[in-house]
Amino acid sequence: AQKVTQAQTEISVVEKEDVTLDCVYETRDTTYYLFWYKQPPSGELVFLIRRNSFDEQNEISGRYSWNFQKSTSSFNFTITASQVVDSAVYFCALENEPMDSNYQLIWGAGTKLIIKP
Amino acid sequence: EAGVVQSPRYKIIEKKQPVAFWCNPISGHNTLYWYLQNLGQGPELLIRYENEEAVDDSQLPKDRFSAERLKGVDSTLKIQPAELGDSAVYLCASSLELAGGPNEQFFGPGTRLTVL
Repeated sequence: AQKVTQAQTEISVVEKEDVTLDCVYETRDTTYYLFWYKQPPSGELVFLIRRNSFDEQNEISGRYSWNFQKSTSSFNFTITASQVVDSAVYFCALENEPMDSNYQLIWGAGTKLIIKP
Repeated sequence: EAGVVQSPRYKIIEKKQPVAFWCNPISGHNTLYWYLQNLGQGPELLIRYENEEAVDDSQLPKDRFSAERLKGVDSTLKIQPAELGDSAVYLCASSLELAGGPNEQFFGPGTRLTVL
């Protein structure tokens, strides 16, 4: 079965601190895709990153970085020098590659990140 | 480029009334999704279209929910009759799916439905 676990329901840090959001996934597929989305208070989900199962390179985009480790089935997200504008709910999601190409995106429950000024 | 457009943004109705939501995806996107999102939870897929064909509607409560995507562009999601438990945010998303794995989905602002 496919599953995504975001064990941290809510995280609160002071601005400029670094923060890591955990994501652990379960899948029996060898080919799969992992995503992170951000949902700010306005409500609109915003795509952050897509990573396929064959690419374990870590990725950095400005203050954002992602650590993909297949050995631990984790795809963690780190924000460096956090800012108040980073306050949002962050979702990790998994999409498998079924035989019929009917992809299904499995969402985690989300982590609410609060950045205090 | 315009994003995914949804209307209305908010809707308040009494139970047993019908309600409809409209979505206009990003131009050129062949795949359209309707999700339901309850407070504090991730989105739950209701239906997925590839062009005008509903390729995954396994989670759509067909006794009261219906959807259509005319000409493979705009889509409408309807609930009739609405129940108290239908109160949620209904999200529409679109993506351009080509060979090589799923691409990112672009989401609209959602419609917040309150059933009294």
